[in-house]
Amino acid sequence: EVQLVESGGGSVQPGRSLRLSCAASGFRFDDDAMHWVRQAPGKGLQWVSGISWNSGTLEYADSVKGRFIISRDNAKKSLYLQMNYLRPEDTALYYCVKDAGRTPRVWDEFDNWGQGTPVTVSS
Amino acid sequence: DIQMTQSPSSLSASVGDRVTITCRASQTIGTSLNWYQVKTGKAPKLLIYGASTLQSGVPSRFSGSGSGTDFTLTISSLQSVDSATYYCQQSYSIALSFGGGTRVEI
Repeated sequence: EVQLVESGGGSVQPGRSLRLSCAASGFRFDDDAMHWVRQAPGKGLQWVSGISWNSGTLEYADSVKGRFIISRDNAKKSLYLQMNYLRPEDTALYYCVKDAGRTPRVWDEFDNWGQGTPVTVSS
Repeated sequence: DIQMTQSPSSLSASVGDRVTITCRASQTIGTSLNWYQVKTGKAPKLLIYGASTLQSGVPSRFSGSGSGTDFTLTISSLQSVDSATYYCQQSYSIALSFGGGTRVEI
């Protein structure tokens, strides 16, 4: 059974940093791309960032480009999101998401999601 | 970036009704369109991928269609457990994006 367990969320002041982690199990972690998706309170889903299986492709939403850094450690079966210069609009539930890796395309659909870790940015 | 527009933003229907949600992409995306169901307090669930392929374990009352820029999600006979918000998502471009969501109330 695929399991994705996020951690590292919390409350921080604007301008500060936070690092999210995701521990993966139940599948060959180094086979699949991974993503972070967030949902702000009362808002819809927003893709934040994606990373290919070998970290060769890293992509970000415009709203976080230059502030967030995605990374992975295949040996530890872990995904990370370093969030710098946090803003109040970054307040959201952050999901760790597994890419289905169904086709040769860079990204496919999201076939497994964690339960999310909440991040609150407020002074 | 590709913009995804869903309609309606919300709807109210009765058990047994046929429900259709539409999703339009700002440029052609082939069939790289996926649908998710989100219930309050639960992780999102993949329903449909590749515009029309049902994810394993998803009830057959859900179906998807479309290609290019226009897509639909249909629930053939609405059940009480289908009360949720539904999102389309394109996986065509390197920058992924979701529609704004459709809240289905029963």
